Amino acid sequence: DGGITQSPKYLFRKEGQNVTLSCEQNLNHDAMYWYRQDPGQGLRLIYYSQIVNDFQKGDIAEGYSVSREKKESFPLTVTSAQKNPTAFYLCASSTLGLADEQYFGPGTRLTVT
Amino acid sequence: GENVEQHPSTLSVQEGDSAVIKCTYSDSASNYFPWYKQELGKGPQLIIDIRSNVGEKKDQRIAVTLNKTAKHFSLHITETQPEDSAVYFCAASPYTGTASKLTFGTGTRLQVTL
Repeated sequence: DGGITQSPKYLFRKEGQNVTLSCEQNLNHDAMYWYRQDPGQGLRLIYYSQIVNDFQKGDIAEGYSVSREKKESFPLTVTSAQKNPTAFYLCASSTLGLADEQYFGPGTRLTVT
Repeated sequence: GENVEQHPSTLSVQEGDSAVIKCTYSDSASNYFPWYKQELGKGPQLIIDIRSNVGEKKDQRIAVTLNKTAKHFSLHITETQPEDSAVYFCAASPYTGTASKLTFGTGTRLQVTL
């Protein structure tokens, strides 16, 4: 089955710890994205990548970091500098020719206490 | 940057009735408008989209209309069913031929009652 996988589904961390969220796709998509979703709000773009070893900041990149060492993988690290890290994190991917048609993974719910 | 407003925030309809969700956008450069359906605890699912060279698009019980002059677009669901209950998001982006940034509305929670 082709698709986007995110792991784990639920993640709990103590304040002050960095945590890395996994995102893998086997759709052969060039572009990958990370969004954050808070209750009652739309999705907000954190980072996106069009090609391996290249990525750009989205609207709310502060306190986050990413890497793109492989086409299939785009992990997101939530650092201790992120002031409100508790949220639902969604990964998406798309081709570049039809870059707008983004397909989402199932999400990871991160709780930091 | 782009700003997308979505209304209503909640919508309750009886099974079989129609539901309409409306969005407005601010950036005249936006030319791609997708709609996503999100069920509880899951990722959003693309259900229909429209590009600026088209005024209306239909897929079975779902249709989307676009008015570029007024900068608004709408999702229409006819003959609603309980499984249509979910949160629906509109979005807008300028198609650039590369990875583009979708700007999302704040969502509409649709409840279809029996």
